[in-house]
Amino acid sequence: DSGVTQTPKHLITATGQRVTLRCSPRSGDLSVYWYQQSLDQGLQFLIQYYNGEERAKGNILERFSAQQFPDLHSELNLSSLELGDSALYFCASSVAHGYGYTFGSGTRLTVV
Amino acid sequence: ILNVEQSPQSLHVQEGDSTNFTCSFPSSNFYALHWYRWETAKSPEALFVMTLNGDEKKKGRISATLNTKEGYSYLYIKGSQPEDSATYLCASINAGNMLTFGGGTRLMVKP
Repeated sequence: DSGVTQTPKHLITATGQRVTLRCSPRSGDLSVYWYQQSLDQGLQFLIQYYNGEERAKGNILERFSAQQFPDLHSELNLSSLELGDSALYFCASSVAHGYGYTFGSGTRLTVV
Repeated sequence: ILNVEQSPQSLHVQEGDSTNFTCSFPSSNFYALHWYRWETAKSPEALFVMTLNGDEKKKGRISATLNTKEGYSYLYIKGSQPEDSATYLCASINAGNMLTFGGGTRLMVKP
């Protein structure tokens, strides 16, 4: 157990639907990062939050949004889902910029 | 957008062989370089975080070096063991705060 908790582990949903992925960072970590790994692709950075505020944005689609709550957990909302959104979504946390990231076990999303 | 590249993409070695991989990254606005080890069906695990030019870090049989001026890092594994089989990822973070991963080097160590 890395200390970063992601739920659910697996999610199967239909095209057009909306889902929410949840991440609880390791205790004491203020930064949360979301990454997407599609088939045969590397880890693609989506978005970063630090202590509730958005800090950096990567290749995140407009259909996707995220937030970090006062208790530091984060949610990634994916809407109007398409088949191509099927991927493994990782959350990672770190204590601060420049420190190693601790990854969760990921949420595998399958859109059918 | 950063372009982090790793070579080779995959590597097969015999148990006991020493090996090394390369990570190249843009040297402008460099902040830090991370190395991760990613075993199948698990999540990436941090090995090293390196920030200074000339930095060398070591953890057991694994070590890494960093050249920020020319934009490359090497990861070395001495005396590879089957349990070293994994994908090794490097990632570069710039002043804009984005950690960008390379495609990884998949290492397979045969007993």
